[in-house]
Amino acid sequence: QKEVEQDPGPLSVPEGAIVSLNCTYSNSAFQYFMWYRQYSRKGPELLMYTYSSGNKEDGRFTAQVDKSSKYISLFIRDSQPSDSATYLCAMSDAGNNRKLIWGLGTSLAVNP
Amino acid sequence: NAGVMQNPRHLVRRRGQEARLRCSPMKGHSHVYWYRQLPEEGLKFMVYLQKENIIDESGMPKERFSAEFPKEGPSILRIQQVVRGDSAAYFCASSPGGQYGYTFGSGTRLTVV
Repeated sequence: QKEVEQDPGPLSVPEGAIVSLNCTYSNSAFQYFMWYRQYSRKGPELLMYTYSSGNKEDGRFTAQVDKSSKYISLFIRDSQPSDSATYLCAMSDAGNNRKLIWGLGTSLAVNP
Repeated sequence: NAGVMQNPRHLVRRRGQEARLRCSPMKGHSHVYWYRQLPEEGLKFMVYLQKENIIDESGMPKERFSAEFPKEGPSILRIQQVVRGDSAAYFCASSPGGQYGYTFGSGTRLTVV
């Protein structure tokens, strides 16, 4: 079993839809949770960063962490064609090596 | 601020040759991370460096791979005697103080023929 599981999709939604992306994990030591967006042939770009449980909102993006269920989510409101990309979850424990463990990514297409 | 700069963007090497991948971190960033991305495996941590020090190389293959981040100049990931299985996208990231939300470069795509 992988440490981080993420449905690869692809996910296809109409413009304006609410998108829900999810990851589950097995390591209860994970405390730092991130969502990155990666466009084709580019490096990952940090979208959201959350420590421990709870919600965090930034514009159209909301990140949720439920440590009791080992489940994290990213919601995108009013999705735009420019949101079409691969979304990667990443997480880490509280160690000093700052090493991130990644999901495989979910491919999202927002259709005009 | 030019961001994290990686070069070359594309690198083709024959089996047995050496590959040198360069990474210049963002200005003011002294922490560098290297990751490898394969289509069916996702991003995998390779090494974490600070200036002149390797902090964690637990993700580096034991042979043929090495990394450095000298006092002056870019970080270098070196792969000796490349094999076809080394073909992948190699990403470098940097942060100012070992933060988790670090910034990635656009990657070097290595193809071994």
